[in-house]
Amino acid sequence: EAGVAQSPRYKIIEKRQSVAFWCNPISGHATLYWYQQILGQGPKLLIQFQNNGVVDDSQLPKDRFSAERLKGVDSTLKIQPAKLEDSAVYLCASSRGQGANYGYTFGSGTRLTVV
Amino acid sequence: GQSLEQPSEVTAVEGAIVQINCTYQTSGFYGLSWYQQHDGGAPTFLSYNGLDGLEETGRFSSFLSRSDSYGYLLLQELQMKDSASYFCAVRAHSGNTPLVFGKGTRLSVIA
Repeated sequence: EAGVAQSPRYKIIEKRQSVAFWCNPISGHATLYWYQQILGQGPKLLIQFQNNGVVDDSQLPKDRFSAERLKGVDSTLKIQPAKLEDSAVYLCASSRGQGANYGYTFGSGTRLTVV
Repeated sequence: GQSLEQPSEVTAVEGAIVQINCTYQTSGFYGLSWYQQHDGGAPTFLSYNGLDGLEETGRFSSFLSRSDSYGYLLLQELQMKDSASYFCAVRAHSGNTPLVFGKGTRLSVIA
């Protein structure tokens, strides 16, 4: 099966600019996650979708970050305006279900550098 | 909240066995998972332990002791390609909540 697709692979922007990332999960995977991974750390959850509904966005900095999954398939994560501390890899993951034994399949991520 | 502790770095010799430990503190517990991530790559799922005991998948095994809030990943017959970061992760509040990851253990396999 095809993996989780993400684009762009790399992005460099100046602080206060906006940026958007795109993710297409594995076909049939109802659950989609966006994680932020700062260099040398583990992934940190930003938002979880179940189909087109938000399940958990408690750690999403909503003053600058937004995400949507309008048709329950692909998803977009946006940052506006970006700050230097947003420099990180943004990982999208999907899973077949929400159950505890379902492993995640991650995309290759988008490496964001804010200068 | 949840917290996971794992060593930041481990070095081992090719062909040897290495164990990466993970201790966790959570308000609830719904399983311990392990992921591997090569530099510049995506994390990939290795194993899941929902119950106490050992799960084996080829050269990799994972162990869980819920009473000790402790688990480990065991890698046998180490190969150079096993050099990567390894993350333990837990679900805390329910089986449907997203994974919380540790900071990762960077494994270096040397000849």
